[in-house]
Parts: sequence; C-alpha cells; structure tokens
Amino acid sequence: ETGVTQTPRHLVMGMTNKKSLKCEQHLGHNAMYWYKQSAKKPLELMFVYNFKEQTENNSVPSRFSPECPNSSHLFLHLHTLQPEDSALYLCASSQDMEGLAGGGRYFGPGTRLTVT
Amino acid sequence: GQNIDQPTEMTATEGAIVQINCTYQTSGFNGLFWYQQHAGEAPTFLSYNVLDGLEEKGRFSSFLSRSKGYSYLLLKELQMKDSASYLCAVIDSNYQLIWGAGTKLIIKP
Repeated sequence: ETGVTQTPRHLVMGMTNKKSLKCEQHLGHNAMYWYKQSAKKPLELMFVYNFKEQTENNSVPSRFSPECPNSSHLFLHLHTLQPEDSALYLCASSQDMEGLAGGGRYFGPGTRLTVT
Repeated sequence: GQNIDQPTEMTATEGAIVQINCTYQTSGFNGLFWYQQHAGEAPTFLSYNVLDGLEEKGRFSSFLSRSKGYSYLLLKELQMKDSASYLCAVIDSNYQLIWGAGTKLIIKP
C-alpha cells in the first residue's frame, strides 16, 4: 500500500467518449502530479499541483483537463482522445514541490487507458 | 537538452549480482533517485543520492559520481522477485525531475 490510490485501474474508451480518472493520496502531501507512461519511454510529466493550485502544464493537449478540488484529490478529465493517448497514467504525490524529502514521489498504481 | 541514459534491458541469473548504470546530463543537480517498477504496478522508491559515494541498503546499493554524471544501482543475491524495471531520475536545479526510460531486468533461474 503506497498511500496513493487510483481508479479505475483499467479503462477502454472510444474517441468520442468522456471519462475521468481519479487519484487520492492519504499521505498529507502538498504536491500532486499526473504522469503519462508509454512503453520504453521516460515518464512524461503532464500536470503539477501544489496546495491545489496548478503550477505546471507541460504543453498537454486540451483534451486532457485536470482538476484538483483539494490537496488530497486529483482528477484527469478525458474527452475526444486519440489512439496515441493509450498509455499508463500515473498519479503521484510528494511532501513538497522540491520532492526531495521522504522518498521523493509516491506513485499510485496507475490507470491503463486504451483508446479505440 | 537534458538527458538520462540507461540500458533498455538486462538479464541476470538468480543468486548473482547485477549493476544497472545511469548517466545523466542535466541543468544542475539536486539529487538522483532510483525507483523499482514491477509490471502493472506503481514505481516505488529505492534510493536517493545527493553526495558522491556508495549507499547500501540491504541487497541494494546505489553509487553516485557527480563529476562524471554517473550512477549505478547494484543488486546482490538476485531473487526472481527482482524482475522489474528500474528507473533512474535526476532532480535538476529547478527541482524538475528528469526521468530515464528505465531498465527492464530479467532474472533467470
């Protein structure tokens, strides 16, 4: 148990669907992240929230829309996705933005997304 | 640009020792992480090095040379459960975490 949970674990959606990914951290951390992990590629940082304020958006297409209602919850809203968006989406949290204390980033198990 | 290099895949035998190398070129340096990721699971923290030298933690050790931009993860007495991907990541001067693509380690009996 890593203290970061994600739902759903698997998601298959068509290109015209709208769905949301949910992340919750029980660690009392202040920073939360969305990452995209594709096979044989480095983790790609998508969004960063610090104290529920978005601090970074790494040129992510608008079909991905994050939401952070409080320091413990993070959502990723998906609409009109493309097949190349199929990947593992990982949520992570860290104690602070520097991410050095206490083991760096704590990751959830991820959502395996398939876009058909 | 910023870059982390590590081998794509390595194979080792149960009970043996394996060393996974990581070289980096980044804008500044605030530390290097190693994470372990089993297939279909979350990456989990293994080690953090910010000073030169070797840090030992049970069967796993991590080494850092900042002057050479080089680190390695050493796994001793390999077990089948060590089959996983090992991710190297560096925190740069802006506290951005730069990731390598990971090394898939296959353990054979």
